[in-house]
Amino acid sequence: SAVISQKPSRDICQRGTSLTIQCQVDSQVTMMFWYRQQPGQSLTLIATANQGSEATYESGFVIDKFPISRPNLTFSTLTVSNMSPEDSSIYLCSVEAPGTSGGVSQETQYFGPGTRLLVL
Amino acid sequence: QKEVEQNSGPLSVPEGAIASLNCTYSDRGSQSFFWYRQYSGKSPELIMFIYSNGDKEDGRFTAQLNKASQYVSLLIRDSQPSDSATYLCAVVTGANSKLTFGKGITLSVRP
Repeated sequence: SAVISQKPSRDICQRGTSLTIQCQVDSQVTMMFWYRQQPGQSLTLIATANQGSEATYESGFVIDKFPISRPNLTFSTLTVSNMSPEDSSIYLCSVEAPGTSGGVSQETQYFGPGTRLLVL
Repeated sequence: QKEVEQNSGPLSVPEGAIASLNCTYSDRGSQSFFWYRQYSGKSPELIMFIYSNGDKEDGRFTAQLNKASQYVSLLIRDSQPSDSATYLCAVVTGANSKLTFGKGITLSVRP
């Protein structure tokens, strides 16, 4: 598994401003992911962030709105730019790390604690 | 469009009963299947994964996979009130490790 921390844990922001969310993991990992979970909804993948390459964005998400940095193998940031109330959500980072289930090992995704964002 | 469906729920069972959570997926190329538990206000935590047809047991949890029917389920034996949470089914298709999540099933275990 992996121990993941996120900063900030929550924030209240004004529309039109930007917020940068940090994700730190306790071991070196190749793949990191950023998700959004809107109230009462499931998780939606925003982008995949691999060290040394540009982030890969999912349909409906663009770099200008959600720029991502991945400067090393233990850290990534997601910026939510020019925020509107529709951006109010929980933002989660995850990493791919070895996991064990029923005696079998496989690469699995582990999630950070999330950042709760409210945009007024 | 690759979809993961969790249409049943919310589910309520008495303490000690078996809870059965179901999930179907649309992409026959899907390779790995995961169950996550999410308590209210918390992030998802991995319960177990499965990638071969059949049953896989881990403690009180059993995952069942039927690739022909594109169906994966999670059984929770001897359900406890602490099992009350939302259970998310997630599927990996392709080599890029991307997870597609279902909308989740909320389980309530009555004392």
